This record gives sequence, C-alpha cells and structure tokens, in this order.
Amino acid sequence: AQTVTQSQPEMSVQEAETVTLSCTYDTSESDYYLFWYKQPPSRQMILVIRQEAYKQQNATENRFSVNFQKAAKSFSLKISDSQLGDAAMYFCAYRYQGAQKLVFGQGTRLTINP
Amino acid sequence: NAGVTQTPKFQVLKTGQSMTLQCAQDMNHEYMSWYRQDPGMGLRLIHYSVGAGITDQGEVPNGYNVSRSTTEDFPLRLLSAAPSQTSVYFCASSRFNRGQADTQYFGPGTRLTVL
Repeated sequence: AQTVTQSQPEMSVQEAETVTLSCTYDTSESDYYLFWYKQPPSRQMILVIRQEAYKQQNATENRFSVNFQKAAKSFSLKISDSQLGDAAMYFCAYRYQGAQKLVFGQGTRLTINP
Repeated sequence: NAGVTQTPKFQVLKTGQSMTLQCAQDMNHEYMSWYRQDPGMGLRLIHYSVGAGITDQGEVPNGYNVSRSTTEDFPLRLLSAAPSQTSVYFCASSRFNRGQADTQYFGPGTRLTVL
C-alpha cells in the first residue's frame, strides 16, 4: 500500500526567510504524481504545486519549488521569501497513474514569525 | 465560475440522525470525490464517482452513501450518524482523462459534529 509521511508536525520560519518542508512516500509504482496542498485557517484546500514522476525537472511556482528525489522517494517543498500569508497547514499527497484517489500525509503546520 | 461548493459549512447532529452533505461543481468535471479530515491523519477518501450514474468506494466508506444523478452534483448521505463520524468533510472534483483523475480541486469543507 502506498503511504505518505510528513515527519515534521510543525515548522516555523522568520518572515522573508526560506523554509523547507519534508515529505517521503512509499510506492512500488513507477508512474505517479505528487502534490503539495496548502490549507489556511479558512480550511480551503489549495493546490500549491504538482510534480509528475516521469519529469526529471523539479516543478516551480513563483516562490514555491520542490526537490523531487525519485530514487530516495522524497518530495520536499521549499518556500522562498516567506510571507505571513504562507502560514497554513501543508499536505503532501500522492496518486499513482491509473488510480482514482489521493493519498495524503499527516500535514505540517507552518508558522511565519514577523 | 464558483468552482466546488459545499453546504452546509457547519452541522451538529445527534447520534442516529441522518443527513445529506451537498456538493456541486460548475466546471463540468467528470470525477468527484468525498474525503474526511481527522486530526493527525490527513484526508481519507470515502467515495468517488467517475461520471453520472457511476460511483465506487474509497478507503473509509462504511456509514456513508452516495449517488451521482447529474455531472454537477455529488451528495454524501449519512444514514445513521455516529460520534466517530465527527470530522471535516471535503468534496473535490477534477477532469477524468484517459482513465484517471486529473488534479483535484477542493470545496471549502463541512465541519460535522455528532453528539
């Protein structure tokens, strides 16, 4: 069974600095997708970034980028120039090609200190 | 374009009561799903649908029923609410392309408390 593990229940960072959130996953599949979702206090789940496993290039979206290490089954999220609005719960998620469901990690609560 | 909408936002039930959580999307997405979010456990899939008239069970389907009579709507029914069903419920939708769901977009969630 596929599992996703986020080993950092909480992280904090000073405003304008860089923070990296960790995610590891376990799968025997070779074709799959990885996602980072942000959940602010409003509870809305917002897609931050997506990575296809067949792509070697790491995905980036403005201040958000990932470090995808397929052999190590690691998918970390880097947030550069942290802003107060980045404070939220962040979830790593996995879906293998052909599957219908997302498998989520337990989440990391990110606090931004002004 | 409202995206994915859910009603109600909050609900309190007594054990044994039934209710329906509503979910609608206006993006013409074929795939729709229901997740529940419990503290420390991330989100878990309850039921999903790949089109009108087609539904299937997810990871934690017991105690819940679904139906999909239109592309837009995917209601979740609790037949006899139990305290273990206290949770936050999310509906999500996506395109369904070449036999698999695309990136999923989530509704705002419903916080359900069962006393």
